[in-house]
Amino acid sequence: QKEVEQDPGPLSVPEGAIVSLNCTYSNSAFQYFMWYRQYSRKGPELLMYTYSSGNKEDGRFTAQVDKSSKYISLFIRDSQPSDSATYLCAIPNQAGTALIFGKGTTLSVSS
Amino acid sequence: NAGVMQNPRHLVRRRGQEARLRCSPMKGHSHVYWYRQLPEEGLKFMVYLQKENIIDESGMPKERFSAEFPKEGPSILRIQQVVRGDSAAYFCASSPSDRVGSPLHFGNGTRLTVT
Repeated sequence: QKEVEQDPGPLSVPEGAIVSLNCTYSNSAFQYFMWYRQYSRKGPELLMYTYSSGNKEDGRFTAQVDKSSKYISLFIRDSQPSDSATYLCAIPNQAGTALIFGKGTTLSVSS
Repeated sequence: NAGVMQNPRHLVRRRGQEARLRCSPMKGHSHVYWYRQLPEEGLKFMVYLQKENIIDESGMPKERFSAEFPKEGPSILRIQQVVRGDSAAYFCASSPSDRVGSPLHFGNGTRLTVT
């Protein structure tokens, strides 16, 4: 089993929709979870950072961690065309020396 | 306040040539990471370096690839005798800390095309 798995999509929604993006991971020892956003032809940029279980909210974005299910989610409320990008979940590797990324989910928000 | 700077943005090499990719980390960051991104494979970790030291190279191919981060100057990812399969986007990231879970700051990548 891969350390982190993510449905690549693509996902297409109309403007204003609520978007749910998800990843599963294999190692229950993971404590840090991140979401990065990558626009076309650009490098990934950190969007959300969470530690352990629970929810974290930042504007229209909510990151949720369910450690019992080894499941992490990113919710986007009132989605905008500017949210069109690839979203990658990331967790530290076993050695704690680097981040491992999911394959990314490509989101398209139409106006 | 410059972010992570990578150059060149685009690099074209013929099979058998050498490719050198450069990365200047954010100011104050002494930890550098190289990743490779292919359309169907996602972002794959290659190597983690601190100044003058390779800390984790578990993601680096055993042959033709090398990386360095000298005391002075940018980090360099070097690919010798490039093959078509090396065509990809190569991203560099930096962080100020080696703390587990420390967020990474990425550059905009070098897109290598091997003809």
